[in-house]
Amino acid sequence: EPEVTQTPSHQVTQMGQEVILRCVPISNHLYFYWYRQILGQKVEFLVSFYNNEISEKSEIFDDQFSVERPDGSNFTLKIRSTKLEDSAMYFCASSGTGRPGYGYTFGSGTRLTVV
Amino acid sequence: ILNVEQSPQSLHVQEGDSTNFTCSFPSSNFYALHWYRWETAKSPEALFVMTLNGDEKKKGRISATLNTKEGYSYLYIKGSQPEDSATYLCAFKNSGYALNFGKGTSLLVTP
Repeated sequence: EPEVTQTPSHQVTQMGQEVILRCVPISNHLYFYWYRQILGQKVEFLVSFYNNEISEKSEIFDDQFSVERPDGSNFTLKIRSTKLEDSAMYFCASSGTGRPGYGYTFGSGTRLTVV
Repeated sequence: ILNVEQSPQSLHVQEGDSTNFTCSFPSSNFYALHWYRWETAKSPEALFVMTLNGDEKKKGRISATLNTKEGYSYLYIKGSQPEDSATYLCAFKNSGYALNFGKGTSLLVTP
């Protein structure tokens, strides 16, 4: 069964450093998403991406965050200057359609630890 | 922020017991309700996506119902097995792209 692949599975970075989290969505999917879960809290929506542009973003997704689909297969989330509060599990997801009756396929996440 | 609540927060049952969890969500601007099963260190796995009031879906021993008018969904597991141990997440979708998740119900099934 097709999978969404995320790398790395765990990343430790120093406060203020830039990080790039990578995802390979399912190849024929058109909609891409990033979510995160801070330990003990709900999974939170960050951003959705369709047709090479952001279709929706949350309040969390400020100027420190950016997304890119550089080569038609990878989907990346960049955090420019990490803060301690960016420590979380970051999940990538994709879906074949934006219609409401269809589920998303999630990756297994990247655990980001900012020290 | 859309309030999605799940109860109980955690549950510990014996193998063979049947169990159910609740997800409550806003009853306005409803588009879909998702259920995911999430095992530690793995991807959240889609169980059900429901869009119509009164929807009932079943996958093996797991089933779910949906009441959009009162804003709740139930997930049932019949004859729980140790491999059912996981966190069960529900997520509400309105007209936007985002899924709004609850905190999840953590289920532990012991032999």
